Amino acid sequence: AQKVTQAQTEISVVEKEDVTLDCVYETRDTTYYLFWYKQPPSGELVFLIRRNSFDEQNEISGRYSWNFQKSTSSFNFTITASQVVDSAVYFCALKVRTAGNKLTFGGGTRVLVKP
Amino acid sequence: GAVVSQHPSRVICKSGTSVKIECRSLDFQATTMFWYRQFPKKSLMLMATSNEGSKATYEQGVEKDKFLINHASLTLSTLTVTSAHPEDSSFYICSAIPDRGRNQPQHFGDGTRLSIL
Repeated sequence: AQKVTQAQTEISVVEKEDVTLDCVYETRDTTYYLFWYKQPPSGELVFLIRRNSFDEQNEISGRYSWNFQKSTSSFNFTITASQVVDSAVYFCALKVRTAGNKLTFGGGTRVLVKP
Repeated sequence: GAVVSQHPSRVICKSGTSVKIECRSLDFQATTMFWYRQFPKKSLMLMATSNEGSKATYEQGVEKDKFLINHASLTLSTLTVTSAHPEDSSFYICSAIPDRGRNQPQHFGDGTRLSIL
């Protein structure tokens, strides 16, 4: 069975601070995909990134960056110079080949960026 | 980019009513769609996998007769909450995977907030 753990339930920062969201996953499959989604207060899920298990390169997209470490089964997400608009719930998710296209979500981390 | 439309966005109705939620893929075909349920301040819980032309596959603990899923075309799946009660109040979200590009991320609808009085 698959499992995704987001240990931080809520993080509060002041604007312009950096914030790192932790994600630890468990799977016995060697082929899998990891995702991050953003859910703003309006409720929709916004896709941020997908990583496959064979690509451990870290990625940067604007103020967002991701650190994939297979050795520790972690896929952490950092928001640099946070802004109020970054306030949302962020979900890490896992998809494994043997489970079809089902996504296993972590519990989510609520980020509150104060002005 | 791929768009999934979910309708209605919000429903408020009396206990005992049946409520239908639609999930449409607007610019792609989707043999497979998913229905999730999200309680306040909780994560998304997969309810079922909707397969075009065949029966849905429900997750353990989800009542098939309570949550009827119909995937009658390659662009539309519906979830009907039958004889809804207050405990069915929740946020329901659908997602779809494009048939062309099944390794793509799931594309999510904007969700339906269901409130049963």
